[in-house]
Amino acid sequence: EAQVTQNPRYLITVTGKKLTVTCSQNMNHEYMSWYRQDPGLGLRQIYYSMNVEVTDKGDVPEGYKVSRKEKRNFPLILESPSPNQTSLYFCASRDLPRIDTQYFGPGTRLTVL
Amino acid sequence: AQKITQTQPGMFVQEKEAVTLDCTYDTSDPSYGLFWYKQPSSGEMIFLIYQGSYDQQNATEGRYSLNFQKARKSANLVISASQLGDSAMYFCAMREGGFQKLVFGTGTRLLVSP
Repeated sequence: EAQVTQNPRYLITVTGKKLTVTCSQNMNHEYMSWYRQDPGLGLRQIYYSMNVEVTDKGDVPEGYKVSRKEKRNFPLILESPSPNQTSLYFCASRDLPRIDTQYFGPGTRLTVL
Repeated sequence: AQKITQTQPGMFVQEKEAVTLDCTYDTSDPSYGLFWYKQPSSGEMIFLIYQGSYDQQNATEGRYSLNFQKARKSANLVISASQLGDSAMYFCAMREGGFQKLVFGTGTRLLVSP
């Protein structure tokens, strides 16, 4: 089954404790992206990657890092999480030539105390 | 300026009736696309329908149709014959040119009553 998976689905952590949210897709997509969703703001892009070893900032990259060492994986790293990073995070992927489709993962709900 | 505007925070509709969810957009790029996603209470983002700026006809997918009015820069979602399972948050989103990202509206919460 074609899918984007994220782990963990739920995470409660404390300020300053480094964490990684993993994202993996099995569709051989070149493009992957991370979004965060906050009430009243919709989804906003954090980082994206057009292919292996190619990443770029989205609209709200501060406090986040990403890496794209393999085509299927695109982890989101919070080196020193803060309470304002409490949010619902989505990973997404698409086949680069396709402009009419983007697949989303199930979401990761992160709480930073 | 907001690129995607959804002016209805919440909408109510009775089962089996049709409902229109509004979306207006702002772009100067001649190549763009409009998406609608459904987010049920479980949280996942479910793709519903897509309309490209060069598409001649309005997109339809089952009970979903997109009322695309290019001159007015609107891309309203029409759900026909609403079902209880349609109760969810609905997001309008836009891609521009190179599709490096989707820009989302703030969403409309739809509640379908029996």
